[in-house]
Amino acid sequence: AQSVTQLGSHVSVSEGALVLLRCNYSSSVPPYLFWYVQYPNQGLQLLLKYTSAATLVKGINGFEAEFKKSETSFHLTKPSAHMSDAAEYFCAVSDRSRGEYGNKLVFGAGTILRVKS
Amino acid sequence: GAVVSQHPSRVICKSGTSVKIECRSLDFQATTMFWYRQFPKKSLMLMATSNEGSKATYEQGVEKDKFLINHASLTLSTLTVTSAHPEDSSFYICSARVGTTPSEQYFGPGTRLTVT
Repeated sequence: AQSVTQLGSHVSVSEGALVLLRCNYSSSVPPYLFWYVQYPNQGLQLLLKYTSAATLVKGINGFEAEFKKSETSFHLTKPSAHMSDAAEYFCAVSDRSRGEYGNKLVFGAGTILRVKS
Repeated sequence: GAVVSQHPSRVICKSGTSVKIECRSLDFQATTMFWYRQFPKKSLMLMATSNEGSKATYEQGVEKDKFLINHASLTLSTLTVTSAHPEDSSFYICSARVGTTPSEQYFGPGTRLTVT
């Protein structure tokens, strides 16, 4: 079974500071990994995904994440936080099975990012 | 592209009534749609996976007779909460996927259900 652990339910940073949101996964097979962002009362928007190409993945809004197999991690970073980055962030893992019912997403508990001015 | 809509965005219903939530892929055909439930300050929990023209596959612990899913076309899936109770109050989110490649899912904006 796959699982995702996001360390820290809340992270607070100052505007302009580095953003680091942690995600560790457990998977018996090589995973696909995703980061999603959710603004209040909205659905999820994909930030970036890892699907076995480059281990350093660049996403939208200046975010990036690095897949580290040895550490089973996929931490999300952004060099300089903006106020508009304040939201909840979810890390998710899926398997690589194809077919109609494969590729289900398993989400972490989420991390709320606060950006202080 | 890849826009998914949900209707309604918010609904309040009385206990014992049924509520239908629609999920539409607006600019693509979705072979597979997923329904999630999100409790307050919690993560998303997958409820069921549905494919157009076939029965939905429910996750363990999800009552299929209570949460009826119909995927009648490649652009529409519906979730009906039957005989709703206050504990069914939640944020329901659908997502849609194109084909079977392990690409990302496109999420709808969610439906806030409140059962009084």
